[in-house]
Amino acid sequence: EAGVAQSPRYKIIEKRQSVAFWCNPISGHATLYWYQQILGQGPKLLIQFQNNGVVDDSQLPKDRFSAERLKGVDSTLKIQPAKLEDSAVYLCASSRGTAGDWTGELFFGEGSRLTVL
Amino acid sequence: DQQVKQNSPSLSVQEGRISILNCDYTNSMFDYFLWYKKYPAEGPTFLISISSIKDKNEDGRFTVFLNKSAKHLSLHIVPSQPGDSAVYFCAASVGYGQNFVFGPGTRLSVLP
Repeated sequence: EAGVAQSPRYKIIEKRQSVAFWCNPISGHATLYWYQQILGQGPKLLIQFQNNGVVDDSQLPKDRFSAERLKGVDSTLKIQPAKLEDSAVYLCASSRGTAGDWTGELFFGEGSRLTVL
Repeated sequence: DQQVKQNSPSLSVQEGRISILNCDYTNSMFDYFLWYKKYPAEGPTFLISISSIKDKNEDGRFTVFLNKSAKHLSLHIVPSQPGDSAVYFCAASVGYGQNFVFGPGTRLSVLP
């Protein structure tokens, strides 16, 4: 079974520029998560999709961050314009079930490391 | 407000001994807990979980204990191996699959 794929692995941009990250979850996984992990901290949820609908985006800074999951499969996370404090690793995760039959595990990708100069 | 705390940033243990990683939480509504392990330049990988209806769950060398009254959980690794050296994250949620809140992690070093 192929794991969660993310790209690019690394990205360096100037502040006020834009950047996009892509995630391909494990085939058949209904739920997809984007997490932000700042150095020395635990991952923080930005947005959670179930199929192609948003379950929770309460911690997504919507003035600069956007995310979509077209057709309930791949997802993109965009930052525009980027700020210095957006420097972090952006982790995508997926899980097999929905809230009603959830099996208890998130599968994470390797992450996309963003450096904003 | 940090809802999930791992107060030890790092821990060193001798190979073959027990490693105990601790996690405290403040939200009494949390009812599902996970432990993840992370190696450098990789995504976190799932280790073990426990729901609030249990106070212990075992999987091989890994055991998680939950003390709901103290809002405390711990991960025991016995015996510890050098390959266990990684950062360990505790995570909690209200309900299955809903908005997991992660702690800041504890870096475990298992010395040969």
